[in-house]
Amino acid sequence: GAGVSQSPSNKVTEKGKDVELRCDPISGHTALYWYRQSLGQGLEFLIYFQGNSAPDKSGLPSDRFSAERTGGSVSTLTIQRTQQEDSAVYLCASRNSGGFGNTIYFGEGSWLTVV
Amino acid sequence: QKEVEQDPGPLSVPEGAIVSLNCTYSNSAFQYFMWYRQYSRKGPELLMYTYSSGNKEDGRFTAQVDKSSKYISLFIRDSQPSDSATYLCAMSMDTGRRALTFGSGTRLQVQP
Repeated sequence: GAGVSQSPSNKVTEKGKDVELRCDPISGHTALYWYRQSLGQGLEFLIYFQGNSAPDKSGLPSDRFSAERTGGSVSTLTIQRTQQEDSAVYLCASRNSGGFGNTIYFGEGSWLTVV
Repeated sequence: QKEVEQDPGPLSVPEGAIVSLNCTYSNSAFQYFMWYRQYSRKGPELLMYTYSSGNKEDGRFTAQVDKSSKYISLFIRDSQPSDSATYLCAMSMDTGRRALTFGSGTRLQVQP
């Protein structure tokens, strides 16, 4: 498809388990973002990748969270030792190079529930 | 205090009404302002994008930015049931490197 693809769309995991969330951005988009959206909350920035530059990890809430982007395309967000407060929608977005005149496109999110 | 404040609603209006959605912010360095629409269980999609102060119109949608008051608005004319969604304001200090700062979203319901 032409849009940002995320998987899994839904994930239920037990507290303490690790989870991996995948994002496949729009082909050719150099910028990739991960956000977290909790019920009734706005989008919380997690991490930003731009080309071959070092990622901006300033939004990661703890060292249990990590992300990588391989080959400048697919990205994986990993949450280790999940906690109930990690339950949220994890949204990935991508953008072509340039300024904000270029639209940021969001995927439909990975809905994570930690029980 | 959050950097961006937005009334969560829900805001319920009859079809055809003019809708006004607003955000206030505290960081005067914000220069780029956006409105996103998010349908249930979908990702946000960009509606409007403005730079600095002023108005921008696109069809039934008008975005206003008042930097002196740190206040932005989105107006929807002739609202339709299909406009029922959550509307998120977002803003940024620069053109691309840093992520957007989002409001918490206002849920809008347009009654047929």
